[in-house]
Amino acid sequence: EAEVAQSPRYKITEKSQAVAFWCDPISGHATLYWYRQILGQGPELLVQFQDESVVDDSQLPKDRFSAERLKGVDSTLKIQPAELGDSAMYLCASSPGRTGELFFGEGSRLTVL
Amino acid sequence: GQQLNQSPQSMFIQEGEDVSMNCTSSSIFNTWLWYKQDPGEGPVLLIALYKAGELTSNGRLTAQFGITRKDSFLNISASIPSDVGIYFCAGLSTSGTYKYIFGTGTRLKVLA
Repeated sequence: EAEVAQSPRYKITEKSQAVAFWCDPISGHATLYWYRQILGQGPELLVQFQDESVVDDSQLPKDRFSAERLKGVDSTLKIQPAELGDSAMYLCASSPGRTGELFFGEGSRLTVL
Repeated sequence: GQQLNQSPQSMFIQEGEDVSMNCTSSSIFNTWLWYKQDPGEGPVLLIALYKAGELTSNGRLTAQFGITRKDSFLNISASIPSDVGIYFCAGLSTSGTYKYIFGTGTRLKVLA
């Protein structure tokens, strides 16, 4: 069964360091999402791509976060510099289209010390 | 960011009991999704709903798309220990950009 791949699963870093997460969506899925999930809460959208274009990054803290999906396939989410409040699970999801079902990867757990 | 209200927040039930939970919004949605999330893992899709009034089952799980399009319900029949986890709803907002908004979650604990 096709899956959304994410790496790393776990990342521990010190504040002010740079962090990067990678996501490979299900093959053929045009829409890719990055969500942030704080412990005990539901996922919150950071950025949404349609192919290689950003269609929603209204909740992305652009002073420190960046995301790209250069060839419309895999994607990278970067944080620089990391802050203590960035500790969370970063989830990638993909969908065949903007109104289709969302499928999540296993997530990347970030701890900022 | 915006989150949908889920009720109850958490519940303890006995193995074999039926479970009901719901998700409400002030906005109209065109699609509802229900997920289960285990600790340290990503959410797993359980059921997708596309039409108001639609009732869909997946094994012991049944979900309904509310008639008003502002709510959705999930029922689990004859709960078993592996049902433990957090259940999230997600509604597709089509105002502006199409994006899914998630609920606050219902934490389910099953007592054997």
